[in-house]
Amino acid sequence: DQQVKQNSPSLSVQEGRISILNCDYTNSMFDYFLWYKKYPAEGPTFLISISSIKDKNEDGRFTVFLNKSAKHLSLHIVPSQPGDSAVYFCAARDGYKLSFGAGTTVTVRA
Amino acid sequence: NAGVMQNPRHLVRRRGQEARLRCSPMKGHSHVYWYRQLPEEGLKFMVYLQKENIIDESGMPKERFSAEFPKEGPSILRIQQVVRGDSAAYFCASSPRTGEAGELFFGEGSRLTVL
Repeated sequence: DQQVKQNSPSLSVQEGRISILNCDYTNSMFDYFLWYKKYPAEGPTFLISISSIKDKNEDGRFTVFLNKSAKHLSLHIVPSQPGDSAVYFCAARDGYKLSFGAGTTVTVRA
Repeated sequence: NAGVMQNPRHLVRRRGQEARLRCSPMKGHSHVYWYRQLPEEGLKFMVYLQKENIIDESGMPKERFSAEFPKEGPSILRIQQVVRGDSAAYFCASSPRTGEAGELFFGEGSRLTVL
């Protein structure tokens, strides 16, 4: 039962343009949503989060939007940089458990 | 290095052998989580431990898998009689606060290959 879904396995974007990553969830009990970034052969690192009572959170080049009625969130990266090339995981919290999506591989082209 | 430390980074086992994966949480963290990532999938919760206590092991397979977090020493994830389907990356994460999963700090993972 996959409660968090990232339907786009990959995304290619030109340097300087916007990257938009999408995530859908099914569990209404999730109270916190997070994005993690992962480089090959490394562990995931926390990027940005949003509480379920908010609809937007911004941190530098990264903005997360939450649409609770649609059970959808997105991560915007602008402008995209070569160092942003990585796998991005959407995660949702229910209590102490995080449920992860399958990830979206972002490739930033020069 | 004050981060979450996992070892070994890579482990190769033959079917039927035992695999032991170790995790030392970040300094000051007393809550440890184990996640498994199968190829092309996201991370799946396995178990949540505090010192000397298993809080939630609902994500652990019922047989062959066990975890501990003793008073002294690292957390251990033990897989007995490994099978090919156990091949995966196993990530340990830690947090400082009870029940707080908002920001887990992950180790670099242990990659198990079962021949």
